[in-house]
Amino acid sequence: KAGVTQTPRYLIKTRGQQVTLSCSPISGHRSVSWYQQTPGQGLQFLFEYFSETQRNKGNFPGRFSGRQFSNSRSEMNVSTLELGDSALYLCASSLNRLYEQYFGPGTRLTVT
Amino acid sequence: AQTVTQSQPEMSVQEAETVTLSCTYDTSESDYYLFWYKQPPSRQMILVIRQEAYKQQNATENRFSVNFQKAAKSFSLKISDSQLGDAAMYFCAYRSNYQLIWGAGTKLIIKP
Repeated sequence: KAGVTQTPRYLIKTRGQQVTLSCSPISGHRSVSWYQQTPGQGLQFLFEYFSETQRNKGNFPGRFSGRQFSNSRSEMNVSTLELGDSALYLCASSLNRLYEQYFGPGTRLTVT
Repeated sequence: AQTVTQSQPEMSVQEAETVTLSCTYDTSESDYYLFWYKQPPSRQMILVIRQEAYKQQNATENRFSVNFQKAAKSFSLKISDSQLGDAAMYFCAYRSNYQLIWGAGTKLIIKP
């Protein structure tokens, strides 16, 4: 079974721009979660989607948003990028909300 | 709020020897899940082992085992017969409200 895939793997954007990251979960997995990883703040939860609905949201500003499609694929969007948004963005999928999460390789976003 | 603490920023071990990584957590919940994830230089987060709080028996996965002390809120990871491929950042995580709360990580160095 194919693992979690994330596209693109690397991205360079300019401050003020917006960006969309994509995540395809493991086949059959219905829950998708997003995390931000930075050297200073470590790993922080962004949001969780299940059955096309956002179920949980972490402590991030409204510039961070996401959605989930009927095939469980998920996208996250960051608008008005700031230098501090430079990070590794990890997507994780699980069979349902109670099961362990399996991670994709991440998208490395650099904001200049 | 739940917190996870990994007090060892870095650990080193000789190849083939045993090493223990520490993790403590704080929670008022009685039923929860704990995980150890490994993040090698490739940045892919890999699930190592999970422990259900209601199970008294410590989880084991091949060379990896945990020492779960619920009353002490301690969840350490023991790696036996360390191999070069075990070199990575190791993160302890607590699942709360369907999201993972992470420790700061321990960098494990394997000496050949």
